[in-house]
Amino acid sequence: EVQLVQSGAEVKKPGESLKISCMGSGYNFTNYWIAWVRQMPGKGLECMGIIYPGDSDTRYSPSFQGQVTISADKSISTAYLQWSSLKASDTAMYYCARAYSDAFDVWGQGTMVTVSS
Amino acid sequence: QSALTQPASVSGSPGQSITISCTGTSSDVGGYNYVSWYQQHPGKAPKLMIYDVNNRPSGVSNRFSGSKSGNTASLTISGLQAEDEADYYCSSYTSSSTWVFGGGTKLTVL
Repeated sequence: EVQLVQSGAEVKKPGESLKISCMGSGYNFTNYWIAWVRQMPGKGLECMGIIYPGDSDTRYSPSFQGQVTISADKSISTAYLQWSSLKASDTAMYYCARAYSDAFDVWGQGTMVTVSS
Repeated sequence: QSALTQPASVSGSPGQSITISCTGTSSDVGGYNYVSWYQQHPGKAPKLMIYDVNNRPSGVSNRFSGSKSGNTASLTISGLQAEDEADYYCSSYTSSSTWVFGGGTKLTVL
């Protein structure tokens, strides 16, 4: 079964750093782009950026450039999303998704990140 | 890049058909045949319903169909069922080599 499994929920304070993960299984992880998608509470989906695990080619959506870092370790079929200094406005559900034929066909279960003092 | 424009809500009775529009620009919807649609039930991850404008993944009901004209794409759901009540999002590949989503449409089955 093709699946993406994300790391668990996080509660952090403003200014702290964080790295969340997304592990793929059931397919060749290196051959498909992985996207990170943000969903703020009660809001819509936003594509933050994408990475090709095969060569770590990474592209950021303009709104997220410089705000987060997307990376991948193909040896363990895992993609990452990280922040160096969290803000309250980073509170959201974060999904990873596999890109296939220019659409996102497999989604992780989501990682809830709560940033509060 | 701005989010694609979708109506905030649509509604229909069981058995009826509804259409959700998704308007972008020549840099996204109008420039590529890479429009997809996602269904999201409360508390769940999105599910791919349509890709490449009008293709259904295996397992998705043929009651769901997609189309595109110029900078506007559309999702049509025929024979509405109670289980179709959910949020729907369109998405398009963009000239920035990333993807942009629509603001989402809440479908209510009356």
